[in-house]
Amino acid sequence: DQQVKQNSPSLSVQEGRISILNCDYTNSMFDYFLWYKKYPAEGPTFLISISSIKDKNEDGRFTVFLNKSAKHLSLHIVPSQPGDSAVYFCAAKGGPPMGQFYFGTGTSLTVIP
Amino acid sequence: EPEVTQTPSHQVTQMGQEVILRCVPISNHLYFYWYRQILGQKVEFLVSFYNNEISEKSEIFDDQFSVERPDGSNFTLKIRSTKLEDSAMYFCASSGLAGVVTGELFFGEGSRLTVL
Repeated sequence: DQQVKQNSPSLSVQEGRISILNCDYTNSMFDYFLWYKKYPAEGPTFLISISSIKDKNEDGRFTVFLNKSAKHLSLHIVPSQPGDSAVYFCAAKGGPPMGQFYFGTGTSLTVIP
Repeated sequence: EPEVTQTPSHQVTQMGQEVILRCVPISNHLYFYWYRQILGQKVEFLVSFYNNEISEKSEIFDDQFSVERPDGSNFTLKIRSTKLEDSAMYFCASSGLAGVVTGELFFGEGSRLTVL
């Protein structure tokens, strides 16, 4: 039962270019979508989120786009930096009260200097 | 900056043994979670906890699992009789009220459990 899917296990991008990470979901009842970043030997770190009522949220170099009709979201990193190299997890949250979080399998991003 | 801390960082145990994984959430957070990640697989939800009781649990969280907040600061995950397939990285997370809405969880660094 994979409610959140990240179909690209890895991505390599040149420094300064745009990184685009993609995620698909199946449950239209999710109310928030999130991206977490994970370095080796560390726990996931919250990066950015978007409410299901929006289609874009921007925070510095990071922008998340939500296409509800396609049940698709993407994370854009511009410009990409070597320090962005990590595993990125897409996650979706069910509704209240606490909402179970569903994570994708992750995409390993390598930014090449 | 406040952080979630987990102990032990790595535990090796024999199949059938009991294991307790410990977490100290961020002090003013009220919502607590356990997740796990089997090597190479996705991060999976186990359980959420609020106001001293389980709020939600997944199918993975069967009778061999239990959680407790024994003293107001620690949040523990107990596995009563470990199985080989319990080998995974277990992540504790906590959130404030805003995080429950937006999904911003603060994760610990994880406890790696190896069952032999």
